[in-house]
Amino acid sequence: EAGVAQSPRYKIIEKRQSVAFWCNPISGHATLYWYQQILGQGPKLLIQFQNNGVVDDSQLPKDRFSAERLKGVDSTLKIQPAKLEDSAVYLCASRRENTDTQYFGPGTRLTVL
Amino acid sequence: KQEVTQIPAALSVPEGENLVLNCSFTDSAIYNLQWFRQDPGKGLTSLLLIQSSQREQTSGRLNASLDKSSGRSTLYIAASQPGDSATYLCAVRHSTGNQFYFGTGTSLTVIP
Repeated sequence: EAGVAQSPRYKIIEKRQSVAFWCNPISGHATLYWYQQILGQGPKLLIQFQNNGVVDDSQLPKDRFSAERLKGVDSTLKIQPAKLEDSAVYLCASRRENTDTQYFGPGTRLTVL
Repeated sequence: KQEVTQIPAALSVPEGENLVLNCSFTDSAIYNLQWFRQDPGKGLTSLLLIQSSQREQTSGRLNASLDKSSGRSTLYIAASQPGDSATYLCAVRHSTGNQFYFGTGTSLTVIP
């Protein structure tokens, strides 16, 4: 079974630029999560999807962050415009319905200069 | 709001030692607690999951315990090996809602 795929693995941009991350969850996993992990901290949930609907986006900075999950499969997370404090690793995870274990992708390391 | 704390932040032990990692949480109304391992440049791998009704879970050399009333969990690693070197994170899921709250992790180094 293929794992959660994310791209790109690394991205360096200047502040005020835009950036997008892509995630392909494990096949058949209805729930998809995006987390932000700042260096030295644990992951913080940004948004959770159930199929293509949003379950929880209470910690998503909606003035600059957006996310979508078209057709309930792949997902993209966008930041526009980026700030210095957005430098972090962005992790995508997926979970099969009626189970508790999350499976994480390798993450995208974003550096904002 | 749920606060999850992990102590110590970093730990270095010689190979073969048994060790304990600690996780504490402020709100005991949890659905479950998970321990994860994170290797540098990689995502998280789930190690053990304890439901709120359970007291412990075991997998190989790993044993995780849960004391919900006191807001504590421990991860016991027996006979540590250099390959165990990684950051270990605990995460709790609240009994209501879907969010997982992560601790800041313990960075473990096992010296050959």
